[in-house]
Amino acid sequence: DAMVIQNPRYQVTQFGKPVTLSCSQTLNHNVMYWYQQKSSQAPKLLFHYYDKDFNNEADTPDNFQSRRPNTSFCFLDIRSPGLGDAAMYLCATSHRENTEAFFGQGTRLTVV
Amino acid sequence: GENVEQHPSTLSVQEGDSAVIKCTYSDSASNYFPWYKQELGKRPQLIIDIRSNVGEKKDQRIAVTLNKTAKHFSLHITETQPEDSAVYFCAAIGNSGGSNYKLTFGKGTLLTVNP
Repeated sequence: DAMVIQNPRYQVTQFGKPVTLSCSQTLNHNVMYWYQQKSSQAPKLLFHYYDKDFNNEADTPDNFQSRRPNTSFCFLDIRSPGLGDAAMYLCATSHRENTEAFFGQGTRLTVV
Repeated sequence: GENVEQHPSTLSVQEGDSAVIKCTYSDSASNYFPWYKQELGKRPQLIIDIRSNVGEKKDQRIAVTLNKTAKHFSLHITETQPEDSAVYFCAAIGNSGGSNYKLTFGKGTLLTVNP
C-alpha cells in the first residue's frame, strides 16, 4: 500500500507558468521533506518541516515555496518555472529524528 | 550544516565479488546514517541504516560499519548479483540547531555488477 503519495507522477508546465506539486502521507509522520533530483545527481533538499516548523535551505531559490496545511499534506509551489527547474521532485516523510525516511514515487517535472 | 562525502562515484565489480562504498560526514552531532538504493527512474529505497550507538550492522549480504571518531561509515555488499546494480546513496541526519531532522545525501555511487 502506498504510504507516501505524490501527484501527479508526470507534470508538464510552460516556462513561467506557476505549478504545484502535491504530497500526501498515511503514516502520520512529523517530518516531511521536499527534494529536487536532477539526472545522475543526488537528491537536493529544498525544504523540510517538523510538524508546522518550516526549514528552508539557504540555497533554495525564492521561486520555490512550500505549504503544509496539515500533517498529511504538503505542497511544493514553483512560482515561475524555468528550464533549469526540470527535474524529479521527491517527497519523503519520517516519524521524527533518526528514523527511516519513506519516499514517494516522485513527480517528474518538464518545463517547455 | 552537515556535509556528506561519498566515494567512489562509480564502481564496477564481477558477479560474486564484494563491493565497498565509503562516506564521511562533517557534523559530529549526526547520529543516524541510512543507505539508500535507487534504480533508474525509481524512488530511493532504504536498504540498511545504523545509529551512532552501534559500530556495525548486518542484514544478509549487506553490512554497514560506523567509525564515529573518524566520522566515516561504509557499506559492504558481499556476493554481489546483477540485480544489485543501481545508484547507492549514503546519508546522515544532523541533530544540532537548524539541522535537526535534516537528511543530507552523499553524491551517490553507481554500482555495476557484471555477470
